[in-house]
Amino acid sequence: EVQLVESGGVLVQPGGSLRLSCAASGFTFSSYWMHWVRQAPGKGLVWVSRINSDGSSTGYADSVKGRFTISRDNAKNTLYLQMNSLRVEDTAVYYCASGSWYVDYWGQGTLVTVSS
Amino acid sequence: DIQMTQSPSSVSASVGDRVTITCRASQGISRWLAWYQQKPGKAPKLLIYDASSLQSGVPSRFSGSGSGTDFTLTISSLQPEDFASYYCQQADSFPYTFGQGTKLEIK
Repeated sequence: EVQLVESGGVLVQPGGSLRLSCAASGFTFSSYWMHWVRQAPGKGLVWVSRINSDGSSTGYADSVKGRFTISRDNAKNTLYLQMNSLRVEDTAVYYCASGSWYVDYWGQGTLVTVSS
Repeated sequence: DIQMTQSPSSVSASVGDRVTITCRASQGISRWLAWYQQKPGKAPKLLIYDASSLQSGVPSRFSGSGSGTDFTLTISSLQPEDFASYYCQQADSFPYTFGQGTKLEIK
């Protein structure tokens, strides 16, 4: 069974930093593209970032480019999202997700709250 | 970036009804489109990919069509478990983008 388990979501002050992790199991993690997708409270889905299977290629939404960094450790079956210079508008549930062009599997999400 | 516009934003319907949701892309995306269902407090679920291919395990009452800029998701006979929010997503180019969502409510 495919499982994606996010962790690291907390309350952080504006301007702060945070690293999210996503532990993957039940599939060959090193063969799949991975994504982060977020959803602000009561709002729609917003794609944040993606990374290819070996980590050599990444992409970001304009709203997070230069502030967020996606990475992966295929030996540990883990995906990361380093978030710097956090803003109030980054408050959201962050989903870890797998798939190439489309998202086949999703984690349960982790809540990041940016507030003073 | 490619903008995805869904309509309607919300719709009320009854069990057994046929419902259609549309998604329009700001530029042509061939058939690089997916539809997701999301229930409150849950992660989204992939229903349709490549505009019209049904994801494994998804009931056949769900269908998708379209190409280029205009796409539709149709639920042929609504079941109680179908009341949820639905999102389209383009995968033609980065950054991938979602529509704003359509909330399907019970009439």
